[in-house]
Amino acid sequence: EDQVTQSPEALRLQEGESSSLNCSYTVSGLRGLFWYRQDPGKGPEFLFTLYSAGEEKEKERLKATLTKKESFLHITAPKPEDSATYLCALKGGSQGNLIFGKGTKLSVKP
Amino acid sequence: DSGVTQTPKHLITATGQRVTLRCSPRSGDLSVYWYQQSLDQGLQFLIQYYNGEERAKGNILERFSAQQFPDLHSELNLSSLELGDSALYFCASSQGAGEGETQYFGPGTRLLVL
Repeated sequence: EDQVTQSPEALRLQEGESSSLNCSYTVSGLRGLFWYRQDPGKGPEFLFTLYSAGEEKEKERLKATLTKKESFLHITAPKPEDSATYLCALKGGSQGNLIFGKGTKLSVKP
Repeated sequence: DSGVTQTPKHLITATGQRVTLRCSPRSGDLSVYWYQQSLDQGLQFLIQYYNGEERAKGNILERFSAQQFPDLHSELNLSSLELGDSALYFCASSQGAGEGETQYFGPGTRLLVL
């Protein structure tokens, strides 16, 4: 069964303190690993798609990487506006839907 | 702004009632997906439509149904509502049938069943 596990559940950082969020997965035939950001009461906002092990993508202070079993979302010198829940999702098998992890709630204090 | 629109934004109703949630996909997108997000379950896939046809089904209750119309907008119908149906309901859209392409999410409808 395709599965996604995110850790930690919550992460509190000081402004400027870099860290990483983890997404472990099991899937039969990965067709995409997705990262979304979600603010409270809002819809998930697309960040990155990764398709194969070794792939990396960057956007401002965020960098996503992918191995055969895990993906990491690295946050460099975070700012308070980076506070949000970060969701990892995968697409595998023959269906088009995404399978989501439960998310990591990130709080960045000034 | 993802380009996906959902109405209404909020819905408050009573147990046993029926409601309809509406979604308009991004221009050019043929697939519409419905997801439910509750505090303890996270985002759960309900159903997918592609170009008017049901494409995939997830954890959708028999009390729930959906359809996609010729103009590609979609409606999710929830009937015989129970307290446990209170949740955020999101619609997402993508260009094709789901072969690894990105899904873009709408702002959601918050349903409260009293």
